[in-house]
Order: sequence, then structure tokens, then C-alpha cells
Amino acid sequence: DGGITQSPKYLFRKEGQNVTLSCEQNLNHDAMYWYRQDPGQGLRLIYYSQIVNDFQKGDIAEGYSVSREKKESFPLTVTSAQKNPTAFYLCASSSAGPAGVNEQFFGPGTRLTVL
Amino acid sequence: AQSVTQPDIHITVSEGASLELRCNYSYGATPYLFWYVQSPGQGLQLLLKYFSGDTLVQGIKGFEAEFKRSQSSFNLRKPSVHWSDAAEYFCAVGELAGGNKLTFGTGTQLKVEL
Repeated sequence: DGGITQSPKYLFRKEGQNVTLSCEQNLNHDAMYWYRQDPGQGLRLIYYSQIVNDFQKGDIAEGYSVSREKKESFPLTVTSAQKNPTAFYLCASSSAGPAGVNEQFFGPGTRLTVL
Repeated sequence: AQSVTQPDIHITVSEGASLELRCNYSYGATPYLFWYVQSPGQGLQLLLKYFSGDTLVQGIKGFEAEFKRSQSSFNLRKPSVHWSDAAEYFCAVGELAGGNKLTFGTGTQLKVEL
């Protein structure tokens, strides 16, 4: 089945540690996205990538980093510089093209808790 | 910059009653509009989308939405709610320029009373 997988589902981290969240898709989508979700705030865009080896900052990129070495993969690293990293993280992907804005498909999410 | 407002944070309806969730957007050009649903601890699932054409769009699970340009609205409706519809609902507007990005509203939490 085609889809997006995120791992792990739950992640615990001590303050001062970097942690990497995995996102893999087999939908053959060019574009991938990372969102952060906090209660009452909706989804906020962290980073996005339209093609391999290229990515752009979203609205809340500070304290985060990404890479896009393969079309299928878009890992997110939460660094120690992120002041309040406890949140629910969602990865999404979409096809890209000149026809317009395409729907995004979402993974099941990773809940990160800083201890 | 584009923005989305969902004025209702929580809504409670009785099972079998009708439902309308409000969404207002701010966007200069013709918007690309979406409604997503999220069950607790899960990812988002697309209910329906509007790009152009007929302003009343049908989606999955018996949902529909109507695009009203004059009111900058894209409200989600369902004639008869089922207990399984209890979830959080997000409206989103898409931006053509710069990466196919979506801007999401803050969501409406739907509770269904049996």
C-alpha cells in the first residue's frame, strides 16, 4: 500500500539532546513537508522540500534542521536550540506541478516529549 | 499573506443532527481550499477540496462544503452526524507561489452526543 510512514510513534528526549524524526513515503511525490502541532494552534510549517537536495524554511524553522537526500525520505532533526520541542510532529507529501495546489497526504505523526 | 479562521474552537451536536463548521479565508487570488479531519493521535485525512468550478463540493463520509467568494467562506456541512464523526476538523488554504504550501486554521473540535 502506498503511504507515508513516520517513526517512532512516541519519542522521549532529555533536554540538550538532538533527536531525529523519520519520514518515508512511497507515493512517488516530489514535495514533502514537516509540521508541528500544538493544542489550539493548528498546524505550523517547519520546513518543506519540493525536490531532492533542496528545502526551504517554513514559519517556525528555528531549532530544526532537515535533509532531502532521497525522494522518499525527509528526516527532521530537533536540535537542542529548539526551546520548546514537546509537540506532535506531522510529515506530509504531495505531488508537485504547475496545475495548482495539490492536496497533501499525511503520516500518522510522532509525539515528542522532552523530559 | 493568506490566512484561515475557524471561529468555533469546540462544537457539540447530537447524533443525527445536522452540522456546519465555519471557515473563513483571506487570500488575494482564487483560493485552493481543503477540509481535513484528524482523529486523536492520528494524522490528517482529506475530506474534500475546492479548486474551481461548482461551488458545492462533495467529499468522503457524507460531507460537503460550499465555497462563497463574496463571504470568503468555505463552510463544511453534514446533514446527519454519526458518533464516529467526533474528531478535530481543519480548514486549509493553498498558496500557488512557493512550494504548494498550505495554511491551516486552528481547528474545530467536534463532540457528538449520543
